[in-house]
Amino acid sequence: DAGVTQSPTHLIKTRGQQVTLRCSPKSGHDTVSWYQQALGQGPQFIFQYYEEEERQRGNFPDRFSGHQFPNYSSELNVNALLLGDSALYLCASSLEQQSYGYTFGSGTRLTVV
Amino acid sequence: AQSVAQPEDQVNVAEGNPLTVKCTYSVSGNPYLFWYVQYPNRGLQFLLKYITGDNLVKGSYGFEAEFNKSQTSFHLKKPSALVSDSALYFCAVRDHTGRRALTFGSGTRLQVQP
Repeated sequence: DAGVTQSPTHLIKTRGQQVTLRCSPKSGHDTVSWYQQALGQGPQFIFQYYEEEERQRGNFPDRFSGHQFPNYSSELNVNALLLGDSALYLCASSLEQQSYGYTFGSGTRLTVV
Repeated sequence: AQSVAQPEDQVNVAEGNPLTVKCTYSVSGNPYLFWYVQYPNRGLQFLLKYITGDNLVKGSYGFEAEFNKSQTSFHLKKPSALVSDSALYFCAVRDHTGRRALTFGSGTRLQVQP
């Protein structure tokens, strides 16, 4: 039973560019959340997707956007990258009917230069 | 707003000794509480959670945590530490409402010396 799969594992982008990160949830899960973990800090909630809609959003600018597909996989898009966007981006999946059972992926390490 | 405090940046313990990693929280209503562990360059690995019921929760790898509502605490414990327990530990909280976001603490680095 596959867990949460994130791609790519590492990424280097230049300031001002755009990036797309991908997440495949654990089999049977229908909800995907994204978190940003800056170096030396705890993860910060970006947003959550359920039924292909953004259901809840954290304190992140509109440069951060997402999408959920009919197969429950999800993308995180960040536009106009800033140096401060360098972080580990974590995807967590869960089942709506058991909303406290989160499974995290290994993350995508984004470096903005 | 919900919040989590992990007052210790680092905890040092000798192998074989008991360990405690502290966590206090603030949330409206009843909490869901979680502990995760993170190894270098890895994602978060689930250890245990408190949803309801017994205040003492047993989790993976011999870890346990005690929910104390009056002190709003959820400290992580293990009777006998292993060198392989050395990692970064995060406490997280969410409430029982429709808001599903986890709020994490800043993390505590556990160093177990041989």
